[in-house]
Amino acid sequence: AQSVTQLDSQVPVFEEAPVELRCNYSSSVSVYLFWYVQYPNQGLQLLLKYLSGSTLVESINGFEAEFNKSQTSFHLRKPSVHISDTAEYFCAVTVLLPNTGGFKTIFGAGTRLFVKA
Amino acid sequence: GAGVSQSPSNKVTEKGKDVELRCDPISGHTALYWYRQSLGQGLEFLIYFQGNSAPDKSGLPSDRFSAERTGGSVSTLTIQRTQQEDSAVYLCASSFEGLNYEQYFGPGTRLTVT
Repeated sequence: AQSVTQLDSQVPVFEEAPVELRCNYSSSVSVYLFWYVQYPNQGLQLLLKYLSGSTLVESINGFEAEFNKSQTSFHLRKPSVHISDTAEYFCAVTVLLPNTGGFKTIFGAGTRLFVKA
Repeated sequence: GAGVSQSPSNKVTEKGKDVELRCDPISGHTALYWYRQSLGQGLEFLIYFQGNSAPDKSGLPSDRFSAERTGGSVSTLTIQRTQQEDSAVYLCASSFEGLNYEQYFGPGTRLTVT
């Protein structure tokens, strides 16, 4: 069975400090990996995704994530966070369902990043 | 263009009543998804549609839950005989067809069963 584990439910960090939000997945089939972000009182929106090619992917606001197949991880990092990065971050994988030919997206439980001044 | 819209935004209902939640996807998006987000929990995948058909309904929590999509556009999620544990935010998303396309989420419907 497929699953996504976000190891930290909350991560408090001071402004301008680096941060890493951890994500591990388990799947016996190929997956596509995503990070979504939910800012306070807003809907979910895509932050970045890994489909193929370079294992390091970047977002427009300075976040990056690295796909590590051997460790089945897709950790999200930012070298220097801002107050405005305070949000909930969800790791997600999309997997193909072999029996139906459809697919399924599995989300982690989320990590609440709280950036303090 | 317009994003994914959901209605109602909030719904309070009594235990045992039926509720219908509506989702209008982004025009041109052939895939549509329903999720449930309970307090302090992640997103629980319920069902997705390719066009008007749902290849896999195993994510629906019980047989009280059903979903349909007509005309490759609007979808409704129906919960019959609601229970208190059904209280959650129900999110709808849409995307172009395929595993690699990002999903665009609606604002959600907050369902409270009293």
